[in-house]
Amino acid sequence: DTGVSQDPRHKITKRGQNVTFRCDPISEHNRLYWYRQTLGQGPEFLTYFQNEAQLEKSRLLSDRFSAERPKGSFSTLEIQRTEQGDSAMYLCAAAGGSPTGELFFGEGSRLTVL
Amino acid sequence: AQRVTQPEKLLSVFKGAPVELKCNYSYSGSPELFWYVQYSRQRLQLLLRHISRESIKGFTADLNKGETSFHLKKPFAQEEDSAMYYCARPPRGSARQLTFGSGTQLTVLP
Repeated sequence: DTGVSQDPRHKITKRGQNVTFRCDPISEHNRLYWYRQTLGQGPEFLTYFQNEAQLEKSRLLSDRFSAERPKGSFSTLEIQRTEQGDSAMYLCAAAGGSPTGELFFGEGSRLTVL
Repeated sequence: AQRVTQPEKLLSVFKGAPVELKCNYSYSGSPELFWYVQYSRQRLQLLLRHISRESIKGFTADLNKGETSFHLKKPFAQEEDSAMYYCARPPRGSARQLTFGSGTQLTVLP
């Protein structure tokens, strides 16, 4: 167990609806990442938090996507007005220590947009 | 574009045979290089990192002189090595995130 939990594990929604995913790392993980993974591809970086500060965002992250980490602990990733192309596995990863130390991944939240 | 390329999507070897999973980079830069592994029904986890010069579960990886490849090797594959393997490296200009390859599914046959 990496100590990173994600909820929900699977979300099915209709196009146009909003969805929110949550990630809970352990308290020692001051760094938190969101990645997206589609079939046959590796994880693609979406955004990075150090404590509560969002320090990096990918150009992949359209304005329909927003992520927060209000108290530097759990994080949420919201997708507004979902599109079928948003269907993917959304992975949360967390770490402490050095900037490129080991990432601990959650099990992911699978989004299916109908 | 900065790319991490794993040219083989699928790789099958027999138990006891050597295995090499290839990883190529289109850019040099950070020496922080990683191999992550995902076993069936498990989450993605770190296998090994270049900077530690370690051997994990019999796997090693060497960075070539041009810093453009970081192939993963094991002299004698085991059935429990069957998994999805991803190499990763920070993109140039960011030490905080990782760019992953598309992965290689390794199957070790009995």
